[in-house]
Amino acid sequence: DQQVKQNSPSLSVQEGRISILNCDYTNSMFDYFLWYKKYPAEGPTFLISISSIKDKNEDGRFTVFLNKSAKHLSLHIVPSQPGDSAVYFCAASVYNQGGKLIFGQGTELSVKP
Amino acid sequence: DAMVIQNPRYQVTQFGKPVTLSCSQTLNHNVMYWYQQKSSQAPKLLFHYYDKDFNNEADTPDNFQSRRPNTSFCFLDIRSPGLGDAAMYLCATSRGSYQETQYFGPGTRLLVL
Repeated sequence: DQQVKQNSPSLSVQEGRISILNCDYTNSMFDYFLWYKKYPAEGPTFLISISSIKDKNEDGRFTVFLNKSAKHLSLHIVPSQPGDSAVYFCAASVYNQGGKLIFGQGTELSVKP
Repeated sequence: DAMVIQNPRYQVTQFGKPVTLSCSQTLNHNVMYWYQQKSSQAPKLLFHYYDKDFNNEADTPDNFQSRRPNTSFCFLDIRSPGLGDAAMYLCATSRGSYQETQYFGPGTRLLVL
């Protein structure tokens, strides 16, 4: 039972263009969502988060959108840079589960110069 | 810089030989987590400590144990590693457990021969 799904294993984008990474979830009890970036042989690095009471959060080049009715969130990176090339994980948590994160399987983003 | 440190980065053990992975943090966070990530899969929570309170996930095998002797350190013990336990083990910390960002260490890659 995969509660968080990233259906695109990979995405290739030209430098300077927008990258859109998508994530779908099934558990309506999720109330907090995060995006992490992971380089090979390193641990995930936190990028941005959003609470379920919001539908958008922005931090520099990164914006996360949450559509609760569709159980869908997306991460927009504008403009994309070659250094953004990494695996991106979305994760979600439920308020009464001790902070446990449920992760998607990741999307590998490649930004080409 | 405040951080999450994992040692060793790579660990090779023999089938059935006990192994201990180490995690330390300088963030003074209350919560420490251990995740297992197998190749091309999402990280999966094994257990976590909120201060000294241990919380085991229902599907974590008995073969996996953890210790947290103080705020800064947390250990993952695998009593009798099997071939299926080969994975990346990620330690994470957070200040609290409600809508808090988790900060990850670089991970320990375990190989079982």
